[in-house]
Amino acid sequence: DTEVTQTPKHLVMGMTNKKSLKCEQHMGHRAMYWYKQKAKKPPELMFVYSYEKLSINESVPSRFSPECPNSSLLNLHLHALQPEDSALYLCASSSSTLAGNEQFFGPGTRLTVL
Amino acid sequence: AQKITQTQPGMFVQEKEAVTLDCTYDTSDPSYGLFWYKQPSSGEMIFLIYQGSYDQQNATEGRYSLNFQKARKSANLVISASQLGDSAMYFCAMRDASGGYQKVTFGTGTKLQVIP
Repeated sequence: DTEVTQTPKHLVMGMTNKKSLKCEQHMGHRAMYWYKQKAKKPPELMFVYSYEKLSINESVPSRFSPECPNSSLLNLHLHALQPEDSALYLCASSSSTLAGNEQFFGPGTRLTVL
Repeated sequence: AQKITQTQPGMFVQEKEAVTLDCTYDTSDPSYGLFWYKQPSSGEMIFLIYQGSYDQQNATEGRYSLNFQKARKSANLVISASQLGDSAMYFCAMRDASGGYQKVTFGTGTKLQVIP
């Protein structure tokens, strides 16, 4: 299984809602990532988990809360988002964080905040 | 300074022709990895090819090859025999010692359109 899955594919939420994005991989990878991508821009790193511990937080607002319950699963909890948070949210995994480890990406969740 | 520079916002290529997408990078680390990803309009990032800083030979994967010129700090992607399905956004990326190799830095991308 060389796939990273993400649910839901699309999400529309109001600014007062609480929702969660889910990411799963069964490749035995020990590094997982959340990216935010606006239209026609490259992905921007948000968080890195290495061996289920948060190792990088790129100064992301606290309305985004990551969670890594186990080595296969990564969640992103959303609360009180702003319209400017509307974007494609991509999850990725890699076997580790060595220089040569490519990332495998999921299909993304297209988030719209009203 | 940009760590990854892609100077071609958009490129056109005739079907069955070869095309080169440019990428230059900036790092002082001796150990780093360079990657190319394809992103179709559907949104998923697809890994294409990898080149390590210590690799002596240019990487190849099917119709994709990487023209690695270490002294010039360039890692251009060559797509041979272009197909309509190659129309997509292409990102060059690098993993180096900054952030303990945990960060992957992406260029701004090149939008490739294959013309029938």
